[in-house]
Amino acid sequence: DQQVKQNSPSLSVQEGRISILNCDYTNSMFDYFLWYKKYPAEGPTFLISISSIKDKNEDGRFTVFLNKSAKHLSLHIVPSQPGDSAVYFCAARVGGGFKTIFGAGTRLFVKA
Amino acid sequence: DVKVTQSSRYLVKRTGEKVFLECVQDMDHENMFWYRQDPGLGLRLIYFSYDVKMKEKGDIPEGYSVSREKKERFSLILESASTNQTSMYLCASSFPLQGAHEKLFFGSGTQLSVL
Repeated sequence: DQQVKQNSPSLSVQEGRISILNCDYTNSMFDYFLWYKKYPAEGPTFLISISSIKDKNEDGRFTVFLNKSAKHLSLHIVPSQPGDSAVYFCAARVGGGFKTIFGAGTRLFVKA
Repeated sequence: DVKVTQSSRYLVKRTGEKVFLECVQDMDHENMFWYRQDPGLGLRLIYFSYDVKMKEKGDIPEGYSVSREKKERFSLILESASTNQTSMYLCASSFPLQGAHEKLFFGSGTQLSVL
């Protein structure tokens, strides 16, 4: 039973447009959410995160939105660039715990 | 620059072989983790360690064991490799005092093929 779900395996976007990657979760005990980005032949790297007490966190071109009532979060990339083409993993943590639970990932293609 | 190093990028083994995957981090992190990445399943936690000689099972520990004799090194052991253990294996480390803000630092991964 996947606690963190990314239902879109892939997404294709034109350069300069907005990319929206979605993530749903089932465990209401999660209190911290993270996005990791992975290029081929590299390990995932941390991108951006949000605490459950917030509904938005912004870092440059990247914004994460959290809707706790819907148990849904999204990552917005504006404007999208070809270098953003990668696999994006949504992840969640329970405060005080050791585990980070990951979704299946969404592969983003940004076309020039 | 922080670094998590996995000893092999690609590995091909036969079924029944004992396989060792090595991971070293230079960040003095207490926590270390082994994940496997499979298409459609994302990253799944195999084992983790929060201190030297301490280990805890993750979500899919069957068929694996681990060893942490030194703080910087965390080894994943496949006692008798099977074809369903063909996967990308990712090692990660973290600094625990961040609590829920804890971020993982990953190695580049080892693509293991068991034939």
